[in-house]
Amino acid sequence: NAGVTQTPKFQVLKTGQSMTLQCAQDMNHEYMSWYRQDPGMGLRLIHYSVGAGITDQGEVPNGYNVSRSTTEDFPLRLLSAAPSQTSVYFCASSSRGDTEAFFGQGTRLTVV
Amino acid sequence: AQSVAQPEDQVNVAEGNPLTVKCTYSVSGNPYLFWYVQYPNRGLQFLLKYITGDNLVKGSYGFEAEFNKSQTSFHLKKPSALVSDSALYFCAVRPSGNTPLVFGKGTRLSVIA
Repeated sequence: NAGVTQTPKFQVLKTGQSMTLQCAQDMNHEYMSWYRQDPGMGLRLIHYSVGAGITDQGEVPNGYNVSRSTTEDFPLRLLSAAPSQTSVYFCASSSRGDTEAFFGQGTRLTVV
Repeated sequence: AQSVAQPEDQVNVAEGNPLTVKCTYSVSGNPYLFWYVQYPNRGLQFLLKYITGDNLVKGSYGFEAEFNKSQTSFHLKKPSALVSDSALYFCAVRPSGNTPLVFGKGTRLSVIA
């Protein structure tokens, strides 16, 4: 059982480049979320989805897009990378509100 | 606004002593409460949750947490700390059934041998 799989694990981008962070889960979970983790800031919500075809913005959505065409996949797109987007990104999924969320291993992104 | 506060950035405790990591929340209604642990260069691992019922919930690795509705707190506890408990601990709240988790800023626990 793979759980939540994030790719890549590490990435270096130049300012202005675009890229997609992949997230896939094999648990048939309805809820999926993207967070970024910065020192002293905890985890901040970027975007989330409560099911295929449904997405919504979180606390820090600017510069990021998401889509949820299938239950399994929830990619995060950086449109034009900026140094402020240097962070560790985590994808999470859960089956419903009273169950725990499962997290991927994270993607460490550096924008130079 | 919904928020979670972890008032201590760092908690230091001697091995074998009891530990407490504090968490308070500001959410209307009856939220779901969670604790997660993060080891270096890893994702977050679930420890325990409070949904309803008994105010004292038990979780993984000997951890437990006490829910106090009047104080809107959900402190994490362990009777006897281990060096291997040293990690970053996050308190999180889900304000309602279909909303995402809101996290505190985390507390770094250091258990000293």
